Amino acid sequence: QVQLQQWGAGLLKPSETLSLTCAVYGASLSSDYWSWIRQPPGKGLEWIGEISHDGSTKYNPSLRSRVTISVDTSKNQFSLNVNSVTAADTAIYYCADFRSWGQGTLVTVSS
Amino acid sequence: DVVMTQSPLSLPVTLGQPASISCRSSQSLVYTDGNTFLNWFHQRPGRSPRRLIYKVSKRDSGVPDRFSGSGSGTDFTLQISRVEAEDVGVYYCMQGTWSPFTFGQGTKLEIK
Repeated sequence: QVQLQQWGAGLLKPSETLSLTCAVYGASLSSDYWSWIRQPPGKGLEWIGEISHDGSTKYNPSLRSRVTISVDTSKNQFSLNVNSVTAADTAIYYCADFRSWGQGTLVTVSS
Repeated sequence: DVVMTQSPLSLPVTLGQPASISCRSSQSLVYTDGNTFLNWFHQRPGRSPRRLIYKVSKRDSGVPDRFSGSGSGTDFTLQISRVEAEDVGVYYCMQGTWSPFTFGQGTKLEIK
């Protein structure tokens, strides 16, 4: 059974960089596609982007200029960086391959 | 971007009765390889989403057979044959055919 465990800073100030990491257990990152999704409090789901088994990435144009998704195959982990955050980036962030999901991390951006 | 439109947005259902959620996409979700990457997710309050259905009609492991998906092209449906108490929450459709992947607004199922 595949399990995803994620972590990262939960409180940021405007203009700082959001950094989250997701560790994958029970599957290899060298297979499949791995995504980050976010959900503002009380709202719907937004796909941020994905990294594939060959390291190629796709990003949502709404965030593309500020987002980087990377992978560390030696640790079987993948990461999300979003720079220059604002209050609009406040959300629960999930890592997933859509069949399996991380537990979610609430990231709050506030001065 | 492909717009996913769900209806209804609120769905009160009596226990044991069937339920149906519609999801329509602004363009065909048939990929060049012939696959249609339409998923259905269920999210309970305070929990991560759980995928129920992938590729329109394939049930994920452990998903009860009272859940079924159907449709083609731009028009899709999730059906629950007999609603149980554990089915409350929000249901989302999501297309994974065209980047950026997009979700419907969500349908909140509650028990009458």
